[in-house]
Amino acid sequence: DSGVTQTPKHLITATGQRVTLRCSPRSGDLSVYWYQQSLDQGLQFLIQYYNGEERAKGNILERFSAQQFPDLHSELNLSSLELGDSALYFCASSVGLGGYEQYFGPGTRLTVT
Amino acid sequence: GQSLEQPSEVTAVEGAIVQINCTYQTSGFYGLSWYQQHDGGAPTFLSYNALDGLEETGRFSSFLSRSDSYGYLLLQELQMKDSASYFCAVSPASGNTPLVFGKGTRLSVIA
Repeated sequence: DSGVTQTPKHLITATGQRVTLRCSPRSGDLSVYWYQQSLDQGLQFLIQYYNGEERAKGNILERFSAQQFPDLHSELNLSSLELGDSALYFCASSVGLGGYEQYFGPGTRLTVT
Repeated sequence: GQSLEQPSEVTAVEGAIVQINCTYQTSGFYGLSWYQQHDGGAPTFLSYNALDGLEETGRFSSFLSRSDSYGYLLLQELQMKDSASYFCAVSPASGNTPLVFGKGTRLSVIA
């Protein structure tokens, strides 16, 4: 158990819908990262927050947004969902900004039908 | 930018030693990390090399050679539970991504 929690574990929704994925980092970790993992793309970095502020942005679609709250939990919002958004979404956390040692949550499997 | 190359699949026998290679092209990085991911599970951190040389953690060792743009993960005394995907990742010195992952090597340990 990494200490990172994610909800929900599974999510099935229809195209065009909007969903919110939630993540709570390990106690004491200030950085939260979001990743998308699909079979042919590996682990794709989406976005990083550090102590409530956006710190780094990867190939995150404009339809996706995220935020980190004062209690350090984070939410990833996915809107206007498309079939291709079906994937595993992982949240990870680390103590500082460096991030070479990240602790991953169990992931949310999103299926868009 | 950064790109990392790993073999897509490796098969090895229980009890043996296996080496998973990672070659990279990067404009500069702080270090090389390795992660393990079992099917249906989350990636877990294994090791980090900031400097050239070998880092040993139990049955697992990781190596980095900056001059050769090359690293590897060495797994000794293979066990069935080591069957998993292994990802190398670099921490870039510049750019927008804190950690860039390779596409992973799927290791199958057979009896």
